[in-house]
Amino acid sequence: GAGVSQSPSNKVTEKGKDVELRCDPISGHTALYWYRQSLGQGLEFLIYFQGNSAPDKSGLPSDRFSAERTGGSVSTLTIQRTQQEDSAVYLCASSPQVDKPQHFGDGTRLSIL
Amino acid sequence: AQSVAQPEDQVNVAEGNPLTVKCTYSVSGNPYLFWYVQYPNRGLQFLLKYITGDNLVKGSYGFEAEFNKSQTSFHLKKPSALVSDSALYFCAARSGSARQLTFGSGTQLTVLP
Repeated sequence: GAGVSQSPSNKVTEKGKDVELRCDPISGHTALYWYRQSLGQGLEFLIYFQGNSAPDKSGLPSDRFSAERTGGSVSTLTIQRTQQEDSAVYLCASSPQVDKPQHFGDGTRLSIL
Repeated sequence: AQSVAQPEDQVNVAEGNPLTVKCTYSVSGNPYLFWYVQYPNRGLQFLLKYITGDNLVKGSYGFEAEFNKSQTSFHLKKPSALVSDSALYFCAARSGSARQLTFGSGTQLTVLP
C-alpha cells in the first residue's frame, strides 16, 4: 500500500517568505510526527498529533513554526518569515498507535536563500 | 529527559565481516528502543525494536540488536556485512509514558568491498 507522502520534495525560497510543507500519512494511522534533520545532525522532534487530542508542540523552535492536521489525516507544517537557519530536511512520520514503529516519508528538502 | 548517544559518527567494515553500531540510552523506567536506517535522499526505514522479552532482537535484512539493561545499551549487529548495508543508522528511545522518540545523531556505516 501507499506509504507516507510528503510534498514538495524540494523547496527553494527566499529569506522572509512563508512556506507550507504537506504530509499525507498512511491511511488509518492516528499518530503523526514532524521532525527536522539538519545537515550532519540527528532528527529534531517538532510536533506530534494523536487522534483528536491536542498536539504536542513542545519541539517547535519558535512561534514562526506551526502545524495543523485536518480531519485526522493530512498535516501541514507552516514556517513564517523563513530564516537561513530553517534550511533542513523536514520529515513526517505516522504510526497506527504510539508504541508502534513510525513510518517515514522521504522528506522535504528546504533551502532558504 | 530522554537521551540517546551514538558515540561513533562513522563505522567502516569490510564486506563479509561482522559489524556493530553502538547505542546507549537514558530514559526513565523501562525503555522502548528502535533502530532505523536511512539511505540517501530517503526517509528512515524501521529495522527492529525492543519493548519487552528476549534481550536479543532480530530485525530486517539480517540485523539484530542486543538490549543490555545494566549498560543501558542497544547495539546493532550483523554477522556478515554487505556493501548494500552502507547507510546512515539511527538509534531511538523513549520511556513507556513518553509519546515521542528521541533519536541519536546517527552513525554512517560504510561497508568496503
